[in-house]
Amino acid sequence: AQSVTQLDSHVSVSEGTPVLLRCNYSSSYSPSLFWYVQHPNKGLQLLLKYTSAATLVKGINGFEAEFKKSETSFHLTKPSAHMSDAAEYFCVVRNAGGTSYGKLTFGQGTILTVHP
Amino acid sequence: NAGVTQTPKFQVLKTGQSMTLQCAQDMNHEYMSWYRQDPGMGLRLIHYSVGAGITDQGEVPNGYNVSRSTTEDFPLRLLSAAPSQTSVYFCASSSWTSGSLYEQYFGPGTRLTVT
Repeated sequence: AQSVTQLDSHVSVSEGTPVLLRCNYSSSYSPSLFWYVQHPNKGLQLLLKYTSAATLVKGINGFEAEFKKSETSFHLTKPSAHMSDAAEYFCVVRNAGGTSYGKLTFGQGTILTVHP
Repeated sequence: NAGVTQTPKFQVLKTGQSMTLQCAQDMNHEYMSWYRQDPGMGLRLIHYSVGAGITDQGEVPNGYNVSRSTTEDFPLRLLSAAPSQTSVYFCASSSWTSGSLYEQYFGPGTRLTVT
């Protein structure tokens, strides 16, 4: 079985300050991990993905995430928030084996608010 | 490339009515799936397909039917709508090569309200 826990349902930052969105996962197999972003009334857009290559993954719009197997974490960071980053973010795990091979499991989402 | 398209964007149904949500992709992707999104619950997989003629259930399949007669289209049917099916529905597609699933591309969503 696999699961994803996003540790904060809401995160609020000021423009220009760092962003940290936290994600922990569990998986019986070596997982692939993704972060998606959803702007209001829009579909989901892939920010970045980890697929067992480099543990530090760089994505679009200045975001990056670090895969830490010992901590079963995949936290999303950005050095300096922009107003356009305000959105909901989803951490997603894809199982690499077993009967649920290939299926995606989504976290509950973190709403990021950016204040001027 | 239009990517993944969904129709309608919005729909209101009365309890007991049936309807079909349409999904189409023009990327020749083998894998297609339907999710529902509810507040605080992320996205949950309803049904998925790894190719024409092949479908399987996801996490929350009850009350929904799917079929996959072509690579491009993957409609989702609500047989008898219930208020619990009020949600936003997303269709997604992906390449599926040698059992490996690649990045999923999502449609813009259908917002469904059942009264």
